[in-house]
Amino acid sequence: DAGVTQTPRHEVAEKGQTIILKCEPVSGHNDLFWYRQTKIQGLELLSYFRSKSLMEDGGAFKDRFKAEMLNSSFSTLKIQPTEPKDSAVYLCASSKQSSNERLFFGHGTKLSVL
Amino acid sequence: GDSVTQTEGPVTLSEGTSLTVNCSYETKQYPTLFWYVQYPGEGPQLLFKVPKANEKGSNRGFEATYNKEATSFHLQKASVQESDSAVYYCALNSGGSNAKLTFGKGTKLSVKS
Repeated sequence: DAGVTQTPRHEVAEKGQTIILKCEPVSGHNDLFWYRQTKIQGLELLSYFRSKSLMEDGGAFKDRFKAEMLNSSFSTLKIQPTEPKDSAVYLCASSKQSSNERLFFGHGTKLSVL
Repeated sequence: GDSVTQTEGPVTLSEGTSLTVNCSYETKQYPTLFWYVQYPGEGPQLLFKVPKANEKGSNRGFEATYNKEATSFHLQKASVQESDSAVYYCALNSGGSNAKLTFGKGTKLSVKS
């Protein structure tokens, strides 16, 4: 079975640009998560969807970050406008619909904002 | 809200020595506890999970016991290898219908031969 696929693997943006990161979850998984990973803060939740409905939106990230589930097998994370402090690895994960289930992570997108 | 605190890294060990990564948590619910491991260039992957208090989880020589009284879930390994070099994350799911995980900040382990 294919795992979680994220594209691109690397993204370089100028300050003020709009960037869109993409994610394809594991087939059949109903839950999808976006996390931001930095060395200082570790893994922070940006958004959580269940069957395409938004379950949770990371409070600190509502301003310039917008995640969407276009269909059950494709999600995007838009950052608009980008700032240098957004430089991080953005991870997408999916799981079956259960609180006890493991999360399957993609390889992540490394974003650098100049 | 939920929170997880773990040993601040980096941690550097010699091959064959023992490892302990401390993890403590706060939640008002009855959580399932997880350890994830992340190798360079990859996403985190499950090491093991423990859904019930007072039970032990283990995988690849790593183990941790869910201590509800102490709200702890310390990761241990008796003899580390160079291939164990990675970042280790403690996490919890607070239960109910919500599947999100709250993670600690991660502990980077480097094992020298």
